Amino acid sequence: DTAVSQTPKYLVTQMGNDKSIKCEQNLGHDTMYWYKQDSKKFLKIMFSYNNKELIINETVPNRFSPKSPDKAHLNLHINSLELGDSAVYFCASSQPGTGTYEQYFGPGTRLTVT
Amino acid sequence: LAKTTQPISMDSYEGQEVNITCSHNNIATNDYITWYQQFPSQGPRFIIQGYKTKVTNEVASLFIPADRKSSTLSLPRVSLSDTAVYYCLVGEHAGNMLTFGGGTRLMVKP
Repeated sequence: DTAVSQTPKYLVTQMGNDKSIKCEQNLGHDTMYWYKQDSKKFLKIMFSYNNKELIINETVPNRFSPKSPDKAHLNLHINSLELGDSAVYFCASSQPGTGTYEQYFGPGTRLTVT
Repeated sequence: LAKTTQPISMDSYEGQEVNITCSHNNIATNDYITWYQQFPSQGPRFIIQGYKTKVTNEVASLFIPADRKSSTLSLPRVSLSDTAVYYCLVGEHAGNMLTFGGGTRLMVKP
């Protein structure tokens, strides 16, 4: 069974559109994240979220918003897409308090904005 | 979070031991050192974590000197499938906003 899954794997869309990327984890973890990996391969945290708290990286535009219908899901909504949003987006999850810093990553969603 | 510095790239040959060093001069008392591996078109995968001295698992060893201002990831007898980007991260257990640096691109040649 896949621990952290994302859909779609590839997403091609035009500037100005609104799109969503879905993420699900079956690990029972309390915390989920979204990361952005740009063309230079730098991996940057966007959001950290659990049942109690949303932590937002201050550099993330407010066009990006995480939505969590339940503990196992954290979807990423992006409004008014821009060319610079093209990147690979990774979802991840972890269980705080386990004594490790281990995060489990999904396979990524490659977003291309034309 | 403490900033980390790693070599941009390294080359090795199959069967060799590879050591990747990471500098983290401003590591805090509560910080742990964690290494991730990322293959092309995949998400990062946890390799190993440590606080001091030496940690070993089935994949790698992590050496941390007494001053903890650096750490070395050791991959024994690498194979072609170890070709990947390796990231060093430093932070607290409780902290969950991971900051990945540029990583080290390891190329293993036949």
